[in-house]
Amino acid sequence: DQQVKQNSPSLSVQEGRISILNCDYTNSMFDYFLWYKKYPAEGPTFLISISSIKDKNEDGRFTVFLNKSAKHLSLHIVPSQPGDSAVYFCAASGGNQAGTALIFGKGTTLSVSS
Amino acid sequence: DAGITQSPRHKVTETGTPVTLRCHQTENHRYMYWYRQDPGHGLRLIHYSYGVKDTDKGEVSDGYSVSRSKTEDFLLTLESATSSQTSVYFCAISERGRSYGYTFGSGTRLTVV
Repeated sequence: DQQVKQNSPSLSVQEGRISILNCDYTNSMFDYFLWYKKYPAEGPTFLISISSIKDKNEDGRFTVFLNKSAKHLSLHIVPSQPGDSAVYFCAASGGNQAGTALIFGKGTTLSVSS
Repeated sequence: DAGITQSPRHKVTETGTPVTLRCHQTENHRYMYWYRQDPGHGLRLIHYSYGVKDTDKGEVSDGYSVSRSKTEDFLLTLESATSSQTSVYFCAISERGRSYGYTFGSGTRLTVV
């Protein structure tokens, strides 16, 4: 059963507008959440993370929000740029999944048009 | 990232043959992981290592084995390749484990025909 869910396979946004990518999780033992970005033919790269003791973390244009009661997190990109077009993976850790490993969602493809 | 390299980058192999993928790191990180990426499935953990000769299974470990005889190398072996193992394989390294993020390699695209 999927523990980390990204229910929107794709998202299209205009340049300069806000992009909001969503992620839900089922395991209440998760205590750390991360977002990765992936371009075609490259490996994923770390974008931003948040600990379960916080509800917001900001890094430049990127902000991650965590709602523990709803088991939901979101990534906000403001303003969106064409270079942000990529696949975004939500990941979580903690609980009883394979030791130290991160559990990833299926990804959301973001397309930012100019 | 120059600190982690995967080889080969592309490989086509026949069903039933053994295949070994290599992950090499120069960062001296303790933790290493193998994931596969498939459409509709995202990234799924195959095996991971938390030290030399210390490995454990992930979510989709059937049909795969791993070895780590030295810190810098983590090998993934498909004992008898099947078409369902056609995928893009990513290796990742981490200095302190799950909470500190991973650095991924560029991936190996494996096609089993």
